[in-house]
Parts: sequence; C-alpha cells; structure tokens
Amino acid sequence: GAGVSQSPRYKVAKRGQDVALRCDPISGHVSLFWYQQALGQGPEFLTYFQNEAQLDKSGLPSDRFFAERPEGSVSTLKIQRTQQEDSAVYLCASSLAPSAGGSFGYTFGSGTRLTVV
Amino acid sequence: QQQVKQSPQSLIVQKGGISIINCAYENTAFDYFPWYQQFPGKGPALLIAIRPDVSEKKEGRFTISFNKSAKQFSLHIMDSQPGDSATYFCAAMEYGNKLVFGAGTILRVKS
Repeated sequence: GAGVSQSPRYKVAKRGQDVALRCDPISGHVSLFWYQQALGQGPEFLTYFQNEAQLDKSGLPSDRFFAERPEGSVSTLKIQRTQQEDSAVYLCASSLAPSAGGSFGYTFGSGTRLTVV
Repeated sequence: QQQVKQSPQSLIVQKGGISIINCAYENTAFDYFPWYQQFPGKGPALLIAIRPDVSEKKEGRFTISFNKSAKQFSLHIMDSQPGDSATYFCAAMEYGNKLVFGAGTILRVKS
C-alpha cells in the first residue's frame, strides 16, 4: 500500500483482556517504530525494529507490553492484561533508512485507538 | 522528564497572519529537529525538519528558525490559512532512531 496501515482503527477492551494491534509498514521500509499517544499529548516512543531485530524496547512501559516483527515486515504490538492507563492511541511508523533521521523521516499510520473499560 | 518543551499549548491566529510555535530542548546530543502536523484521527505528518548546523530552513509558507546556543527552535507559518488548523508537534532525535516529541500546540486559524 501507499502508506502505513494499522488495524483495527478502534479497539475497546475490558480490563484484564489481552489485545493485539497490527501494523503494515510501507513495503521495503527497514525501520519500524511504535509510539503511544495519550489524549492531548505528544507521541511517546515504545519500541524500534530494524528489519526483524528489535533494537530498542526501552519505552515499553511494563512487561505486559510485547512487540514483534518476525519476518521484517508486519509488526504486532501485544498488550496483556490491559489496564485503564493503557487507553491511548498506538501509532506505528516506518522509515526507509536504518536510522530515521535525515531526509527520510518517518511515515506514521493513523493509529489504533485503544479504550480499556 | 520533559526533554522537549513546547509553547504555547494553543494558538488562535487570523487568516493571513503569522503563527509562531516555540520549542526548547536540553539534550545537546539531539541532531535532528522535525516538526509534525496532526489532524484529528490521523497520524502525525512530517512538515519540515532541520539539523543544528543550519540556522534557518524555509519550505513554502513554513520556516524553522534554530538557535543552537540557546537550544531553541521555532516554527513560523506565514500567511496562515484555515486549512492549517491542526495540532503541531516539535520533536528531536539523537542519532539513530527514536523521536522525543513536545506536548503539542493546537492551532486555530480564524477566517
């Protein structure tokens, strides 16, 4: 596709439920990032993949959060035993370059809005 | 710890006016400073970016001014239009990968 695709667009989960959020990056993009955006705030970094390797997971808030990109393309962010504080928009971004600075930048998807009730 | 501080939180500008949003940072290792525009229900979209070896960059109606010694940078939107109404985020990146975002500025351009 032409852009970064995320699914589902909206997810309502009961507290304690597990959820899986999917990201389809732009074809051929080496780098993939997950960010969490709370209401009225800027996105906050969660984790970063270069191809299938997870190079940085320093932003994952707890061990309930897990991300994978097994074949270096599609990525899944999994949240176990969801809590109300997990309610946010989860954004995926991809970049052609191994490092996302310079002229390449990021392309963000539209996000998945997770609401935990 | 807020590494990138953005102001104002919200801004109302008349059509045709200049919108100015300011950011300040602490980490001198940051070497890439992009600005993103976000519409409701959409992800952030890159507007314009600058590296610290340049003091100003202009693309169309958008200009970044960068003051390395003061560790500050700003976005100027000239001839602001109602279609520019959105949330704007400054960000900074240390060489490698992750962006650190400011808290955002909600811009409303009145027609």
